[in-house]
Amino acid sequence: DADVTQTPRNRITKTGKRIMLECSQTKGHDRMYWYRQDPGLGLQLIYYSFDVKDINKGEISDGYSVSRQAQAKFSLSLESAIPNQTALYFCATSGPPKDRGTSSYNEQFFGPGTRLTVL
Amino acid sequence: KNQVEQSPQSLIILEGKNCTLQCNYTVSPFSNLRWYKQDTGRGPVSLTIMTFSENTKSNGRYTATLDADTKQSSLHITASQLSDSASYICVVSARTNAGKSTFGDGTTLTVKP
Repeated sequence: DADVTQTPRNRITKTGKRIMLECSQTKGHDRMYWYRQDPGLGLQLIYYSFDVKDINKGEISDGYSVSRQAQAKFSLSLESAIPNQTALYFCATSGPPKDRGTSSYNEQFFGPGTRLTVL
Repeated sequence: KNQVEQSPQSLIILEGKNCTLQCNYTVSPFSNLRWYKQDTGRGPVSLTIMTFSENTKSNGRYTATLDADTKQSSLHITASQLSDSASYICVVSARTNAGKSTFGDGTTLTVKP
């Protein structure tokens, strides 16, 4: 089974509808992220959470909200979808930073993505 | 503003050939640089991770280099295979409490038979 799963994988909806995208992970990681990817562009951070009850805005949080219901679950909501929110959405997880010499790093593990189309 | 720029935007090579992808960044203070491979319609998968003190890292036919002084990295792919066709993304993280990451737009590599 995949470590990071997203549901649904594809969704078509209409302007003004409320949409929820779900992310679940079995990696035991505390940190979870939601990203958006537009064609030909890099991933942009929407929200991230370092623990249950910890929610932080990313670069492009307007129009989105999130809920960290449990360590393993992080959901993204579009309260009133609009066409320019049509994109690929990725959930990611990471563990605590690992030390390597004088630096640290934390590797992110991505889900398969949700393709959302808002008509 | 932290930025990550990748070049070329796209690249077409023949199977068996080598290629090199470039990544320039302005992220500061630097913590680490990661290269990801993203197949079409799939999530990115980590290839290499390099911190400040590392200047090269290999993963099979993939070799990444890092020059922290010039803030440049490259990803070299040797003996390319059709399965190497994908987008390659450079990601740089800052040494802050949040370890915030900046993603490049990616290089789309197409390997033709």
